[in-house]
Amino acid sequence: ETGVTQTPRHLVMGMTNKKSLKCEQHLGHNAMYWYKQSAKKPLELMFVYSLEERVENNSVPSRFSPECPNSSHLFLHLHTLQPEDSALYLCASSHRAIPNNEQFFGPGTRLTVL
Amino acid sequence: GENVEQHPSTLSVQEGDSAVIKCTYSDSASNYFPWYKQELGKRPQLIIDIRSNVGEKKDQRIAVTLNKTAKHFSLHITETQPEDSAVYFCAAANAGKSTFGDGTTLTVKP
Repeated sequence: ETGVTQTPRHLVMGMTNKKSLKCEQHLGHNAMYWYKQSAKKPLELMFVYSLEERVENNSVPSRFSPECPNSSHLFLHLHTLQPEDSALYLCASSHRAIPNNEQFFGPGTRLTVL
Repeated sequence: GENVEQHPSTLSVQEGDSAVIKCTYSDSASNYFPWYKQELGKRPQLIIDIRSNVGEKKDQRIAVTLNKTAKHFSLHITETQPEDSAVYFCAAANAGKSTFGDGTTLTVKP
């Protein structure tokens, strides 16, 4: 195991629901990331946090709202999603965001929006 | 922003043959180029990386080459084995942001 965990592993939600994805890293890293993985775009960066500050927001719709309360935890709050948001959401962490270095990925949350 | 193109999208080789996957990038400021392997149903894992101050790096059967002038880098796998079958992603990164290629599905036939 890489030391990055994600919960839940599977989530089914309606378009009017509000849910949150959780990521936790046990590696002592200072940077955390959210990625979306889908058939359309295999690995798409959504957000980057470095030392709990957001350093990158890759033009993600506001229905996705990240939160990083400390360097070990990262959340992705979801509300009024669309069916096209169905995908695998991967969290990753790295020692630092800058300079770039190896990212350790979690197992992902498989999200289905009905 | 950065744009990364990866080719081929699928690659099938016979066990023992070599496999080469190529990526090009557009942003000359990118300075870190990792390669990730993702087996079916599993998370991506780094297999090798290279920084912009190095032209080549090798780790046993895998190697990566970087041509900064041409803005392209390649993954080379020699003596392929069935367990090398997976999706391989290249990426170009700068200042905390990584842009990934669309992936190459490698199949190694025994």
